[in-house]
Amino acid sequence: DIQMTQSPSSLSASVGDRVTITCRAGQSIRTYLNWYQQKPGRAPKVLIYAASNLQSGVPSRFSGSGSGTDFTLTISSLQPEDFATYYCQQSYSTFKTFGQGTKVEI
Amino acid sequence: QVQLVESGGGVVQPGRSLRLSCAASGFTFSSYSMYWVRQAPGKGLEWVATALYYGDNKYYPDSVKGRFIISRDDSMNTLYLQMNSLRVEDTAVYYCARDSFGDSTNWFDPWGQGTLVIVSS
Repeated sequence: DIQMTQSPSSLSASVGDRVTITCRAGQSIRTYLNWYQQKPGRAPKVLIYAASNLQSGVPSRFSGSGSGTDFTLTISSLQPEDFATYYCQQSYSTFKTFGQGTKVEI
Repeated sequence: QVQLVESGGGVVQPGRSLRLSCAASGFTFSSYSMYWVRQAPGKGLEWVATALYYGDNKYYPDSVKGRFIISRDDSMNTLYLQMNSLRVEDTAVYYCARDSFGDSTNWFDPWGQGTLVIVSS
C-alpha cells in the first residue's frame, strides 16, 4: 500500500492567515492526489483533484500543487468556515489510501 | 440531484455480521464505480471497499479482506457492504461514496451522510 503522510497534524491560525498543509507519498504517485475537507459530524467533501484542479463550487482561495511524492494544499486567506480537518488521498493505486489528516483550529 | 443514503448501522457483538445498504439516486448508478470508506471515532478516513461498474471487480484493504463483501444491485440502484466476523476495531461511521473522474484520475464524490456501526459486547 502507498503510505500518505501529512504535516502538520494540527495547526492554529487566524482569519486572514495563509495556511499551507503538506502531503508526502511513499512512492511517486504522479499527480494522482486529491484533497478533502471535513467538518465535525459531516461527510468529507472534495476540494482539489489531480493535485491542482479546483472542484466546481470550491472557493478560489484553495489551491493545490505538487507532483511525484510531495504535495501542498494552500488556503490563501483563511475564512471562519475553513476551520476543519483536511485529508489528502492518493488515487494512483487501486488500493486507495488517505493521509492521517490535518486539523485547522482557531 | 445526486444523493447517497446509507442505512443498516447499529450495535453488534464481536464475531457477528451486519449488512449496510446505500441507496443511490440522481445518476445512472450502473455507470459508476462505488466505494465504502469508514472513520473510527476521532480518527481519520480509511478506504474499505471498491466495486467497479464493469465486470465483477472488487477490491479491499488487508484490514477487511476475507471478512467484508461489497456488492451492488444495479436494478435497485443500491450498494451493499456485508460485514462478517466483526471486530471491536471495525467500530466506525461507514460512508458510501461515488466515483468521480476527470483529468485521467478519480476521486470520491459525492459522499453519503454515513451510518454508525458499533461493535461491542
